[in-house]
Amino acid sequence: EAQVTQNPRYLITVTGKKLTVTCSQNMNHEYMSWYRQDPGLGLRQIYYSMNVEVTDKGDVPEGYKVSRKEKRNFPLILESPSPNQTSLYFCASRVADGSYNEQFFGPGTRLTVL
Amino acid sequence: AQSVTQLGSHVSVSEGALVLLRCNYSSSVPPYLFWYVQYPNQGLQLLLKYTSAATLVKGINGFEAEFKKSETSFHLTKPSAHMSDAAEYFCAVSDYNNDMRFGAGTRLTVKP
Repeated sequence: EAQVTQNPRYLITVTGKKLTVTCSQNMNHEYMSWYRQDPGLGLRQIYYSMNVEVTDKGDVPEGYKVSRKEKRNFPLILESPSPNQTSLYFCASRVADGSYNEQFFGPGTRLTVL
Repeated sequence: AQSVTQLGSHVSVSEGALVLLRCNYSSSVPPYLFWYVQYPNQGLQLLLKYTSAATLVKGINGFEAEFKKSETSFHLTKPSAHMSDAAEYFCAVSDYNNDMRFGAGTRLTVKP
């Protein structure tokens, strides 16, 4: 089954404790991205990657890191989480050829930073 | 940069009534437009998309949307609401620069 998977689905942590949220897709998509969803703000893009070893900032990159060492994986790293990063996070992927192609979304990771 | 405005953060309809969710976009270049649906505790699922072909786009679950360039709108409609349509709906705009921007979302409630 074609899908985007994220782990963990739920995470409660404390301020300053480094964490990684993994994202993997099995559709051989070049383009992958991370979003955060907050009430009243919709989805805002954190980082995106056009292909392996190519990453770029989205609209809200502060406090986050990403890496793209393999085509299928795009982990999101919070090196020193803060309470304002409490949010619902989504990973997405699509083919790179044309932004008219829709993105496929993972199930989401709900992060709480105490 | 392009942007999307969804009018109404909450919409409530009765079962069997017309569903109308409003979306207006801003873009300096021809846009690609999308509607996604999010059911509780799930990711986003594509309902339909406009990519400069037919202006009336039909999607899954009986939804459709019409692209109106003169009004910069891409409203989502369904003739008859079903209880299973209760969800949050997001309009999104993209262009050849690969940026996709989402609206704030509209939560649809369907009353029996």
